[in-house]
Amino acid sequence: DAKTTQPPSMDCAEGRAANLPCNHSTISGNEYVYWYRQIHSQGPQYIIHGLKNNETNEMASLIITEDRKSSTLILPHATLRDTAVYYCIVRVAHPRGSNYKLTFGKGTLLTVNP
Amino acid sequence: NAGVTQTPKFRVLKTGQSMTLLCAQDMNHEYMYWYRQDPGMGLRLIHYSVGEGTTAKGEVPDGYNVSRLKKQNFLLGLESAAPSQTSVYFCASSLVSGRSDTEAFFGQGTRLTVV
Repeated sequence: DAKTTQPPSMDCAEGRAANLPCNHSTISGNEYVYWYRQIHSQGPQYIIHGLKNNETNEMASLIITEDRKSSTLILPHATLRDTAVYYCIVRVAHPRGSNYKLTFGKGTLLTVNP
Repeated sequence: NAGVTQTPKFRVLKTGQSMTLLCAQDMNHEYMYWYRQDPGMGLRLIHYSVGEGTTAKGEVPDGYNVSRLKKQNFLLGLESAAPSQTSVYFCASSLVSGRSDTEAFFGQGTRLTVV
């Protein structure tokens, strides 16, 4: 799986959009970009994933650059409850392969301030 | 539908003792994972399973064994606990669907202290 690089921490004002970047310059064509978050020692929670098109769901939007070497997770209106560590993960898409696993890095600690 | 349930939630072991952590999921997921998380660190994969009766090593498998005798259960065993195994352990499961899996669901964690 391709490695990812994220800033260790970011701040955001409540009610503003939070834009979390992730670099994955070695991503290959069959690898997806996944985002998870972990709120204070709880189990991680899935947010969104995508291959090459931008994706949006009720939680966030995922913007993937055309060359797929980086992506941005957007929380449109951050709240205090969005304070968490956000993990960007790149992994192979094909199931049942021997390398099929979900590997986490250190992520970005997003702090939403009142 | 309980999702992913980990048992126990807390445990204190003495060095050299053994124990088994149980992970149960009721979503008929094929893939299951065991992670550990140490203070200030991300999650590290210990072992995982791509189906009933199969297991594979992750990043930090030493000192742990696993079994997946039933599709819904994934057991993590510590044969001889060491203080270095003090950590929070998370189990997860995911469903394989088409060309990519769906989201992975995580349990609430087991806080293990080895003294």
